[in-house]
Amino acid sequence: NAGVMQNPRHLVRRRGQEARLRCSPMKGHSHVYWYRQLPEEGLKFMVYLQKENIIDESGMPKERFSAEFPKEGPSILRIQQVVRGDSAAYFCASSPNPLAPTSTDTQYFGPGTRLTVL
Amino acid sequence: GQNIDQPTEMTATEGAIVQINCTYQTSGFNGLFWYQQHAGEAPTFLSYNVLDGLEEKGRFSSFLSRSKGYSYLLLKELQMKDSASYLCAVRDEGGSYIPTFGRGTSLIVHP
Repeated sequence: NAGVMQNPRHLVRRRGQEARLRCSPMKGHSHVYWYRQLPEEGLKFMVYLQKENIIDESGMPKERFSAEFPKEGPSILRIQQVVRGDSAAYFCASSPNPLAPTSTDTQYFGPGTRLTVL
Repeated sequence: GQNIDQPTEMTATEGAIVQINCTYQTSGFNGLFWYQQHAGEAPTFLSYNVLDGLEEKGRFSSFLSRSKGYSYLLLKELQMKDSASYLCAVRDEGGSYIPTFGRGTSLIVHP
């Protein structure tokens, strides 16, 4: 049973280019979460999606960042016109059900995509 | 909002016991998670506490005191492979119940 898959594992972009990060959740999971991790910082929540729906994007920067989770295919985190400050590790996680207060469901994380902006 | 505090770094000796503390302040509380993250890898789930007390899982145990806003992760019989970052994450009552992560504690186990 494959875990959460992310690609690419490493991505290098020049300032102003676009970055596309892909995440395939675990089989049977329809809830996807994106996080950003800066050096010496904790995981910062960005966005929570279900198939074809953005449920919570409270952690997403208002400009240049967008996310989707189409009916078919992986979830995509897209960063337009990247800047050096976007350099970070971006992790995707998935869960089988919505995270609920009475549930012990946890999130399963992918290996991350390390984005470097030159 | 939430405020989660963990020590930045700890060192310990192989075979020893280490306790990693996590304190939090939250407007509501709905569970606390501990994850392990090796350098360059994905965080992996270790434990979940929602009620006060100690949860034991093999060499790892996690404790919670809701009244004190405090948790710790206890690692026994340390092995070199336990060198990793340990992330404390707290879930409050709002929004989508998505946990908020602390900065993590980097544990170095030496021979």
